[in-house]
Amino acid sequence: RKEVEQDPGPFNVPEGATVAFNCTYSNSASQSFFWYRQDCRKEPKLLMSVYSSGNEDGRFTAQLNRASQYISLLIRDSKLSDSATYLCVVNHPGGYNKLIFGAGTRLAVHP
Amino acid sequence: DAMVIQNPRYQVTQFGKPVTLSCSQTLNHNVMYWYQQKSSQAPKLLFHYYDKDFNNEADTPDNFQSRRPNTSFCFLDIRSPGLGDAAMYLCATSSAQGSTDTQYFGPGTRLTVL
Repeated sequence: RKEVEQDPGPFNVPEGATVAFNCTYSNSASQSFFWYRQDCRKEPKLLMSVYSSGNEDGRFTAQLNRASQYISLLIRDSKLSDSATYLCVVNHPGGYNKLIFGAGTRLAVHP
Repeated sequence: DAMVIQNPRYQVTQFGKPVTLSCSQTLNHNVMYWYQQKSSQAPKLLFHYYDKDFNNEADTPDNFQSRRPNTSFCFLDIRSPGLGDAAMYLCATSSAQGSTDTQYFGPGTRLTVL
């Protein structure tokens, strides 16, 4: 079983749609959770950290369910510029900042 | 105002010919990481430095080595590249090793092995 699992997609949605991505992680001792965005042939960039209480940044909402080891990302009012791969990232507990990346979910927003 | 710089952006090498990828940072961060990302796969950590302390991941092949001559620079050496080593190589930095410390990625070097 992979440490971080995501639906690879692609998700093809029209502009203005709401889309949700899910992610599960296997190590219950993980403490930090993130969503990164990666454009085609570019480096990953931090989109947002994910907290137990849930957090929102504009059109983006992230949720964490520790009991289910489940992380979600909701994008409202999708824009063409949201087209990218979204990587679910979890820290690997054990004394240093090791990040475990999911393989990503690809989003394509069309006019 | 680039923060993490990788050179070259594209590298072509021949099977078995050693190659060195370069990473530099202007952030004065203590920690530097090297990741390998193959097409449609997750970035995979190869190793990292905390200051001068080198930490190799258990499953990183011996073919991959690294050097960090000073705080700003870190190199990835691939001694004998195979076809399976073709990938994007990403360098990242963070200020410390805490689990909440953000990692900043460079633009990557895309390696082709002929």
